Amino acid sequence: TQLLEQSPQFLSIQEGENLTVYCNSSSVFSSLQWYRQEPGEGPVLLVTVVTGGEVKKLKRLTFQFGDARKDSSLHITAAQPGDTGLYLCAGYNTGANNLFFGTGTRLTVIP
Amino acid sequence: SQTIHQWPATLVQPVGSPLSLECTVEGTSNPNLYWYRQAAGRGLQLLFYSVGIGQISSEVPQNLSASRPQDRQFILSSKKLLLSDSGFYLCAWSVWLAREQFFGPGTRLTVL
Repeated sequence: TQLLEQSPQFLSIQEGENLTVYCNSSSVFSSLQWYRQEPGEGPVLLVTVVTGGEVKKLKRLTFQFGDARKDSSLHITAAQPGDTGLYLCAGYNTGANNLFFGTGTRLTVIP
Repeated sequence: SQTIHQWPATLVQPVGSPLSLECTVEGTSNPNLYWYRQAAGRGLQLLFYSVGIGQISSEVPQNLSASRPQDRQFILSSKKLLLSDSGFYLCAWSVWLAREQFFGPGTRLTVL
């Protein structure tokens, strides 16, 4: 079993603050994805990172894949209420038929 | 474009009753299909996945089963529901061996 631990589990911040969510594993993945899920809906893919050390930016969101491809981080700058949701990381290995999902981070941004 | 549908959206069932949840995908052929269960506000637990018609892989032993009678149809079933079967059930699809998965809107199941 390839476990992905996310921290923090819960995060409540004021609008305009910055935050970082972490996704850690003892396993190496060929790629890692981040999803955001709104209450009562399915997760939506935000980004896929493939290369160790890779950094991708999506507006105010910055995603980084660890050099050893065992961990990843998501940094949000100037958080907005629309960023509220459950953030899930998921690891993938080439040739596999499924993803290994992290434990999730529930973010609440207070106006 | 591809779309994925799940129904029903919500379901309340008594303990011991049967279950049938349906998932269909449009706009693609021979997708990989997945059933996940999600506890409140937490990560996803993979239940079953299928790489083709009639091909089902089970990840977690339990009283649920899955079937794929058609290329773009995936069904989750149970003969007798348990209280512990309550949760949010998500269906997803992907291109074969691709890393990105695309999720349906989910079914909220409450077993009383």
